[in-house]
Amino acid sequence: KQEVTQIPAALSVPEGENLVLNCSFTDSAIYNLQWFRQDPGKGLTSLLLIQSSQREQTSGRLNASLDKSSGRSTLYIAASQPGDSATYLCAVSGQAGTALIFGKGTTLSVSS
Amino acid sequence: GAGVSQSPSNKVTEKGKDVELRCDPISGHTALYWYRQSLGQGLEFLIYFQGNSAPDKSGLPSDRFSAERTGGSVSTLTIQRTQQEDSAVYLCASSYSRGDEAFFGQGTRLTVV
Repeated sequence: KQEVTQIPAALSVPEGENLVLNCSFTDSAIYNLQWFRQDPGKGLTSLLLIQSSQREQTSGRLNASLDKSSGRSTLYIAASQPGDSATYLCAVSGQAGTALIFGKGTTLSVSS
Repeated sequence: GAGVSQSPSNKVTEKGKDVELRCDPISGHTALYWYRQSLGQGLEFLIYFQGNSAPDKSGLPSDRFSAERTGGSVSTLTIQRTQQEDSAVYLCASSYSRGDEAFFGQGTRLTVV
């Protein structure tokens, strides 16, 4: 059974810092991996999708990497801003393109 | 529509009553997912529809929970004889096809009193 773990559970940084959020998964036979952000009381916003054949994806200040063989992904946020404060969730789907399995998230707080 | 739409946004119900939650996926999306998020918990998978295939119901927590998807579009999640532990935010997502980028609705906050 696929399990997804995100470390750390919470992170506080001052504005301007670069930071890395970690995601690990137990079954490396994944179809893709997706990073989301969730603001309090809101739904999830898709940030980046990495297909299993890809190593990384970039969008603006965000860069996500995937090492499928070791069951790891990282989300790199450059020059963090207070508006980046949210919970970041990692999710993987299985080889058959099955439903996404989520980690419990990392809650990020960026202070000005 | 422009995004995934869920209704109602909030629902308060008495213990023992049945509730129906609705999800309108993005037009043309063949995959539709339901998740549950309890306070302080992660997203718990409930059920997954893909085109005309039989749905993956492996996440439904009990036989009080059921879902259907009519005409490959709108989906309804039904909870019968609601219990207090059913209180949570119920999130729906859709994607163009299985394994594609998933887009979420804003959720329905269910409170059972």
